[in-house]
Amino acid sequence: GAVVSQHPSRVICKSGTSVKIECRSLDFQATTMFWYRQFPKQSLMLMATSNEGSKATYEQGVEKDKFLINHASLTLSTLTVTSAHPEDSSFYICSARRGGNTIYFGEGSWLTVV
Amino acid sequence: QQQVKQSPQSLIVQKGGIPIINCAYENTAFDYFPWYQQFPGKGPALLIAIRPDVSEKKEGRFTISFNKSAKQFSLHIMDSQPGDSATYFCAASMAGNTPLVFGKGTRLSVIA
Repeated sequence: GAVVSQHPSRVICKSGTSVKIECRSLDFQATTMFWYRQFPKQSLMLMATSNEGSKATYEQGVEKDKFLINHASLTLSTLTVTSAHPEDSSFYICSARRGGNTIYFGEGSWLTVV
Repeated sequence: QQQVKQSPQSLIVQKGGIPIINCAYENTAFDYFPWYQQFPGKGPALLIAIRPDVSEKKEGRFTISFNKSAKQFSLHIMDSQPGDSATYFCAASMAGNTPLVFGKGTRLSVIA
C-alpha cells in the first residue's frame, strides 16, 4: 500500500485564489520531504526541499512567496500555491525519505487554474 | 549540466522481450541509484535500487546492472508484459538529506 499520501488528487481553483496540497508520510516519520512539479511527458522538476521545523530550501527559479511550503510535523508537509494563475496548472508530486536513501512518492495532485 | 543521462527516450518491444534502459552519471559522490516506474497521472513508484558496491541486483522480473568504473547503470525487464508499459526514470542521490537527481525518463511500450 501507499506509504506517502497526497491530497487532494485533483483540484480546480479560480485564478487569483490559493490552494493547499497536503503530503503525509503514513507509517514513518519524515524529517525531509521534497516537492516536485511535472509537466506532461517530462521528468520531475524539483521545486523545494521541505525540512521539519525549519524553512524550506527552494530551487533556483522557484518563487518562495508563491509556493509556500510548511513542514509543521514529522508526517505532514503542505504546499500552498498562492494567487494561482493558469500557468501554475500542473501535476505536483511530493516525496518523503524513509530511512537511509529510500524515497517514496505520493500519488500526485493535479492542479487546474481556471 | 545534466547529472544523470538516460536513454533511450522511448522504446517499443514485443511482449516477452527484454527492454533495456540505460543511465549514466557524472558525480562520483552519488551512492544510491533507484529506478521508478510511473503510469500516466500517477506518482512514481519505486521499483528497485542499487548501491555501487554491487554489480547486479534482481527483484522479480527487474534487474539493475551497475558498472561503477564506467559510471553507468541499466534496468532490464525480463519477459516484458503490456502492463509494464509506463515511463521509467532512473535517479541518483548522495548520502544525507539530498534530493534525487532524475534522468529524463524512458517511455516504454510493450505490444502484444
